Amino acid sequence: DTQMTQSPPSLSASVGDSVTITCRASQYISTYLNWYQVKPGKAPTLLIFSASHLQTGVPSRFSGSGSGRDFTLTISGLQPEDFATYYCQQSFAMPRSFGQGTKLEIK
Amino acid sequence: QVQLVQSGAEVKRPGASVKVSCKASGYIVSSYGISWVRQAPGQGLEWVGWISTYNGKTHYAQKFQDRVTVTMTTDTSTTTTYLEVRSLRSDDTAVYYCARDLGSPVAGRGPDYWGQGTLVTVSS
Repeated sequence: DTQMTQSPPSLSASVGDSVTITCRASQYISTYLNWYQVKPGKAPTLLIFSASHLQTGVPSRFSGSGSGRDFTLTISGLQPEDFATYYCQQSFAMPRSFGQGTKLEIK
Repeated sequence: QVQLVQSGAEVKRPGASVKVSCKASGYIVSSYGISWVRQAPGQGLEWVGWISTYNGKTHYAQKFQDRVTVTMTTDTSTTTTYLEVRSLRSDDTAVYYCARDLGSPVAGRGPDYWGQGTLVTVSS
């Protein structure tokens, strides 16, 4: 099974900052890496699929990159609504797996 | 529009079973699968299992293989998938989500539409 490791576990930033979250797979997953945003009491929202493709309706300040085992999610120009927890997920093989999450908090 | 509507909250005793439903509509359901994901209080997302709504084939996370079953029923216009968890423990307390996923267990994009979540509380 593929293990996903995210870093950092938490991050403090201010509105307008840019932040980067990283995700590493324990084995090769090509570009089959997705990013989700989770807010308290809400279902996850798909932000990025296939490493770098923006889901319809997601603001362009979100971007993703990477291939193979190493991936990043960048949020450029943080907005108040972006403070949430972010998860990566591999969709290369079954069973699917998520990273442990990165909590983005307001500084 | 794509909709995944889940059944309501459940409270169960340790050792009991629970069955959560997810009714899909607004798209060609047989072209997609359904994944089940859970989130325990204060914890991260955990992938539980997947079913193909085309042929009923399933995959499960190893830790759930012995206690979880995902099934489905189809009538003329709707497909409902079910997640059954047996031998419930207190650490199964979580919000369980269904989500639209790929129709076959191959590499591709991740789940895009999600249900509203079902809180399952396991308590004596």
